[in-house]
Amino acid sequence: QVQLQQSGPGLVEPSQSLSLTCAISGDSVSSNTATWNWIRQSPSRGLEWLGRTFYRSKWYNDYAISMKSRMIINRDTSQNQFSLQLNSVTPEDTAVYYCARQEFYFNSWGQGTLVTVSS
Amino acid sequence: DILMTQSPDSLAVSLGERATINCKSSQSVLYSSNNRNYLAWYQQKVGQPPKLLFYWASTRESGVPDRFSGSGSGTDFTLTISSLQAEDVAVYYCQQHYSTPYTFGQGTKLEIK
Repeated sequence: QVQLQQSGPGLVEPSQSLSLTCAISGDSVSSNTATWNWIRQSPSRGLEWLGRTFYRSKWYNDYAISMKSRMIINRDTSQNQFSLQLNSVTPEDTAVYYCARQEFYFNSWGQGTLVTVSS
Repeated sequence: DILMTQSPDSLAVSLGERATINCKSSQSVLYSSNNRNYLAWYQQKVGQPPKLLFYWASTRESGVPDRFSGSGSGTDFTLTISSLQAEDVAVYYCQQHYSTPYTFGQGTKLEIK
């Protein structure tokens, strides 16, 4: 059974960068069938898919257009984890952030991290 | 982007009664090459991440009670709970995995009447 464990700060100051990590157990970040996603949830925007990373003979990243200019997803194969970096955050980025594994549908989710953007 | 619209936004049903949630996509999520609908349903309880209930619109995830059923094709889909139990109180979401950006419905809050 795949488990995803998130870590990272819950408070970020405006204009700074948000960084979260998702550690994978029960699967590999280099899987040829799964993709590794970041999704956030807020009362104003609902559930919002942010982007993903995946390996199909080489690495690919795929971002929501609205996030592309500020977002980076990295992976660390030695630690079997992937990460989210969101730059230049504003209060509108306050949300619960989830990592999720996808094989067509999202079948495993991290526990969620409430990130508040405030000074 | 594919817009997912659920109805109703909230629903109150008596214990043991049927609950029906609808989901409509702005374009078809039926992939013609394999005749599969790229539509999933999730249940989210307070303080928890979403939990997968159905994929391919009607394939029940392992462990999901059979009082839950999913149906529909193309652009119109339905999640039905045949006999509501207290533990079914949650918010339910549909989601298309046909194309990126993957999109979710706004959610339907299900309560006990």
